[in-house]
Amino acid sequence: SYVLTQPPSVSVAPGQTARITCGGNNIGSKSVHWYQQKPGQAPVLVVYDDSDRPSGIPERFSGSNSGNTATLTISRVEAGDEADYYCQVWDSSSDHHVVFGGGTKLTVL
Amino acid sequence: EVQLVESGGGLVKPGGSLRLSCAASGFTFSSYSMNWVRQAPGKGLEWVSSISSSSSYIYYADSVKGRFTISRDNAKNSLYLQMNSLRAEDTAVYYCAREAVSSTSCYDYWGQGTLVTVSS
Repeated sequence: SYVLTQPPSVSVAPGQTARITCGGNNIGSKSVHWYQQKPGQAPVLVVYDDSDRPSGIPERFSGSNSGNTATLTISRVEAGDEADYYCQVWDSSSDHHVVFGGGTKLTVL
Repeated sequence: EVQLVESGGGLVKPGGSLRLSCAASGFTFSSYSMNWVRQAPGKGLEWVSSISSSSSYIYYADSVKGRFTISRDNAKNSLYLQMNSLRAEDTAVYYCAREAVSSTSCYDYWGQGTLVTVSS
């Protein structure tokens, strides 16, 4: 089955740029979605189809995807961005299996 | 405003059954595929099951195949998950999630979740 690998944690100072990676075999050929989850809350979609943003999501959130790595970039990080972030793809090679990465805890120092 | 409200969670013994419901409002429910996603305590997200808008296509994660059944009632704007032969490892918060029309398996709206605890 398809595996997505994320670093368990990323730390960044306020105002700096955070980059959260999501590794997978030839992930560049798939559409990657990113979700933000704060403690005790449901996930929220922040980037879809590699680099598109849903309405209401700040432009500070952006995404890219190439080769074996997709990246969520959060510019000018704020304290309110502290959360868990999950990448997700649809594995078309299997029986409609949806795969999530293990999640990355973003800590704002 | 899109709203998804799960219910039906609770404490159940191993081997028992539970039926989760998700009430949808604020959008044309019959036009969207719907999904269940779960999260064990302190763990990451795990996709459970998917059902297309007209129930023509249904998929399950290997971990629940043969034990869980997803269904929907478009007249009642409701999604369901029948869970049988429950195991301790099924303990999780269960979220229903709407799948975006324009992107496969992109979940643009989520409910707040309902907790299922499987324990003797």
